[in-house]
Amino acid sequence: DQQVKQNSPSLSVQEGRISILNCDYTNSMFDYFLWYKKYPAEGPTFLISISSIKDKNEDGRFTVFLNKSAKHLSLHIVPSQPGDSAVYFCAASVVGTYKYIFGTGTRLKVLA
Amino acid sequence: DAGVTQSPTHLIKTRGQQVTLRCSPKSGHDTVSWYQQALGQGPQFIFQYYEEEERQRGNFPDRFSGHQFPNYSSELNVNALLLGDSALYLCASSSMGQSQPQHFGDGTRLSIL
Repeated sequence: DQQVKQNSPSLSVQEGRISILNCDYTNSMFDYFLWYKKYPAEGPTFLISISSIKDKNEDGRFTVFLNKSAKHLSLHIVPSQPGDSAVYFCAASVVGTYKYIFGTGTRLKVLA
Repeated sequence: DAGVTQSPTHLIKTRGQQVTLRCSPKSGHDTVSWYQQALGQGPQFIFQYYEEEERQRGNFPDRFSGHQFPNYSSELNVNALLLGDSALYLCASSSMGQSQPQHFGDGTRLSIL
């Protein structure tokens, strides 16, 4: 039972344009969401998070949007840079349960 | 400021053997979580340790066990290894009581022959 789904295995975007990565979840108890970036041979690196009391959180070029009614979150990267090429994982948790449930990841390729 | 460190980087074992993986958390962190990442999948939660006790456990058999030491470092032990245990094992640390994200190490790549 995949509680967190990333339905796009890969995405290619031109440098300077917007990258939009999507994530859907099924468990309405989730109240904390995160995005991680992973380069080959490295561990996941935290990018940005959002609590369920918000619908948007920004950090520089990265913005996460949360639509609780649709159980959907997205990560926007503007402008996209070649160094953003990596696998992006969304994760969700219920505050107080300590474990993160991860999606299967989306491989982003930013073309120069 | 050292981040999360894991050892060894790579490990090759045969079926039926036992393995121990090690993790040192990021400075200032007191909680360690372990995840298994199979090829093409996202990380799956194994368990979390806090105050030297297993605080929460995912859907993994008892062959997977762990330990946390007074200095907050942690070990993951896997007994009776199966071919399906081949994966990247990730350690993540965080501070209990704060709404801070978990920080991951680079993982140990375990291959079972």
